[in-house]
Order: sequence, then C-alpha cells, then structure tokens
Amino acid sequence: DQQVKQNSPSLSVQEGRISILNCDYTNSMFDYFLWYKKYPAEGPTFLISISSIKDKNEDGRFTVFLNKSAKHLSLHIVPSQPGDSAVYFCAASANSGGSNYKLTFGKGTLLTVNP
Amino acid sequence: DAGVTQSPTHLIKTRGQHVTLRCSPISGHKSVSWYQQVLGQGPQFIFQYYEKEERGRGNFPDRFSARQFPNYSSELNVNALLLGDSALYLCASSFWSKGGTEAFFGQGTRLTVV
Repeated sequence: DQQVKQNSPSLSVQEGRISILNCDYTNSMFDYFLWYKKYPAEGPTFLISISSIKDKNEDGRFTVFLNKSAKHLSLHIVPSQPGDSAVYFCAASANSGGSNYKLTFGKGTLLTVNP
Repeated sequence: DAGVTQSPTHLIKTRGQHVTLRCSPISGHKSVSWYQQVLGQGPQFIFQYYEKEERGRGNFPDRFSARQFPNYSSELNVNALLLGDSALYLCASSFWSKGGTEAFFGQGTRLTVV
C-alpha cells in the first residue's frame, strides 16, 4: 500500500523555467513533510520541509505548498538550473502520539533541467 | 562539520553470508535510522534507534538486526543474505527521537549479493 505517491516518474524542463513536482498521500496521520534530492551514487540530500500547520514554506529557489484537504503537496523550483537535475523524493512522517521517527517515501521523480 | 558517514561504501557478498554495515551520525544527533532502497523505489524504513534503544522497526524479517553504541554510532546486521537483499542501505540521523524535524542521510552502502 503506497501511502506516499509521486505519480510522475520523470519531468523535463528548460533552464530558467519553473519545475513543479507533485506528491499525494493517503495517511491522514501524516503531519510533517519533507523533500529530498538524490544524485546517483549519493544519499538523499534534505531540501525543504513543511509542517501540517502551514500551507507554504520557502527557502531560496525552493517553495513547498501543502493542501491538507486534498492530501497533496508540491515542490516548486524557480528558476530551474541544470544542477537541479536529480531524483526528487517526497517523504512524510506521523508524529502525533508516536514515539519514533519513521519517514515514508514516494518512489521519486527524475527531474531533468535542459540548458 | 562531518555529516553522516557510512562504511563501507560498496560491498559484495555471497548468498547465505552475514554482513555488518556501520554508520556515524552527525555530532550531537542521538537518533539513527536505517533505510533500504532498491532500484526504482523510495527508501524503506528498517529501524530507528534513539539513546541506544530500538524505537521503531519496519516490515523486515528477523534476519535484519541493529544496535546503537554509547557514542550514538550504529550497526546494521543482516544474516543469511538473499539475492533480494541487494540494495542501497541508507543511514539517517536526527536530533530528536520523534519526527517534526529533518533527517540527514549518509551516502549509503551499496550491497550486492551474488
């Protein structure tokens, strides 16, 4: 049962344009969401996170939007750069009442930014 | 500052053998988690340890075990290796035992079982 879904296996955009990566979740208990970027042969690198009490969080070129009613979040990268080309993972955790820290990941979206 | 470090980076083992993977968390982080990533999938949670105690276990067989040491470093052990255990094994460290904070990953150990 895939609780975190990234339905687009790949996305291609032009340098300078906006990249929008989408993520849907099914578990209503998820209350903290993270985006990671992964290059081949490296571990995931943390990009940005958002708590369920917010609907937007910005960090430089990266903005994450959360729509709790739709159980949907998106990562916007503006402007996109060739160095952004990587696999992007959406991850979620359920913290309320829990005693451990477990991240549930989507399958990832391969972003290619063309010069 | 050193990030999360894992060793070895690559490993080739034969079916039926045992393997030990090691992880050193970011200085000051007391929580270590292990994840398995197979090709085409996102990382899957295996274990979490905090203050040397197991705090969470994913849906993995008993062949998988782990422990955390007083310096907060951790080992993941896998017994009776199967071909399907071939994967990238990732270690993540975080300051708190619970979520609501960022987890930082090491570069991973690529395990190949032949």
